[in-house]
Amino acid sequence: DAGVIQSPRHEVTEMGQEVTLRCKPISGHNSLFWYRQTMMRGLELLIYFNNNVPIDDSGMPEDRFSAKMPNASFSTLKIQPSEPRDSAVYFCASSPTSGYEQFFGPGTRLTVL
Amino acid sequence: DAKTTQPPSMDCAEGRAANLPCNHSTISGNEYVYWYRQIHSQGPQYIIHGLKNNETNEMASLIITEDRKSSTLILPHATLRDTAVYYCIVRVADNAGNMLTFGGGTRLMVKP
Repeated sequence: DAGVIQSPRHEVTEMGQEVTLRCKPISGHNSLFWYRQTMMRGLELLIYFNNNVPIDDSGMPEDRFSAKMPNASFSTLKIQPSEPRDSAVYFCASSPTSGYEQFFGPGTRLTVL
Repeated sequence: DAKTTQPPSMDCAEGRAANLPCNHSTISGNEYVYWYRQIHSQGPQYIIHGLKNNETNEMASLIITEDRKSSTLILPHATLRDTAVYYCIVRVADNAGNMLTFGGGTRLMVKP
């Protein structure tokens, strides 16, 4: 199994540009999570989906952030417009609903200039 | 979910046991204790979890006090590759389909 796949691994963009981060969860997993990690705030949950439906998006910082899961094998996190304070490592994780372990991807390091 | 308290950092000699404490004095009866770790530049990795009994797997042992207000993660023979940030998380349900709330964790440095 390839594990959770995230792309791109690194993204450098300029303030005001749209950024799209992608995630492919492990096949068969029902739940998908997006986390953000910064030095100041640590690791924080942004949103999570269960069976492709957003369950809790209370961690999404503002309307510039949006996430979708059009099918069980793909999710996107979009930031539009991006700002320098969005610079962080964004992790995607997936889990089988009946299991107990969340599996994390390698992360996308986003730098907004 | 109950809040956890961990020391910000610890050192351990290579080959020795690493004992990482976690305080969760407000834990509820239906909350589990989970441990994850994050090696530099990688995503977090699940280690172990438990409710009230001690647990052991190939990575570590988890000792939970009888009153469940604290726990200790034990890495029996720490190696340099165990250098990481270790997160203790208390969460309702033995179900990964619930979100994790990460605190500051303990930065473990294993030294030769």
